[in-house]
Amino acid sequence: EAGVVQSPRYKIIEKKQPVAFWCNPISGHNTLYWYLQNLGQGPELLIRYENEEAVDDSQLPKDRFSAERLKGVDSTLKIQPAELGDSAVYLCASSRATATDTQYFGPGTRLTVL
Amino acid sequence: QKEVEQDPGPLSVPEGAIVSLNCTYSNSAFQYFMWYRQYSRKGPELLMYTYSSGNKEDGRFTAQVDKSSKYISLFIRDSQPSDSATYLCAMKSTGGFKTIFGAGTRLFVKA
Repeated sequence: EAGVVQSPRYKIIEKKQPVAFWCNPISGHNTLYWYLQNLGQGPELLIRYENEEAVDDSQLPKDRFSAERLKGVDSTLKIQPAELGDSAVYLCASSRATATDTQYFGPGTRLTVL
Repeated sequence: QKEVEQDPGPLSVPEGAIVSLNCTYSNSAFQYFMWYRQYSRKGPELLMYTYSSGNKEDGRFTAQVDKSSKYISLFIRDSQPSDSATYLCAMKSTGGFKTIFGAGTRLFVKA
């Protein structure tokens, strides 16, 4: 079974530029999560999708961040414009449907904003 | 104060040692407790998943939960260099999808 796929793995951009990250969850997983992980910290939830619906986006900085999950499968997270403080690893995870199901993480996208 | 506290380490031990990793938490609603292992430049992978209090063993790994003290532990027996990674504790409440992670403890096992 293929795991969670993310691309790109690494991205370097200058501040004020836009950037987008892509995630393909495990087949059959209805729930998709985007996390932010700063150096030396644990992942922090940005947004959670149940199928196409964003059911928890309370931690997403909506002035510059946006996300979508068209057709309830792949998802894209976008930052526009990027700031220096956005440098971090962006992790995508997926799980089946219930609250007790295991989350499976992708390898993450490491973003560096210069 | 963070909901989940975890000593970041680093923790360095010789091969074969017993490793003890710990987290404390403040939210008494947490019922599900997890330990993830994260290798450098990889995503976290689930090691142990326990519900409520008690012990759970899986090979060289044992997870303990003491809800009365709001304290969880992960023990690694016969540690190997391949166990060198960051270990993240995580927890969530019943019916809750939101998982709260600790900051992670970096472990180095020296051959």
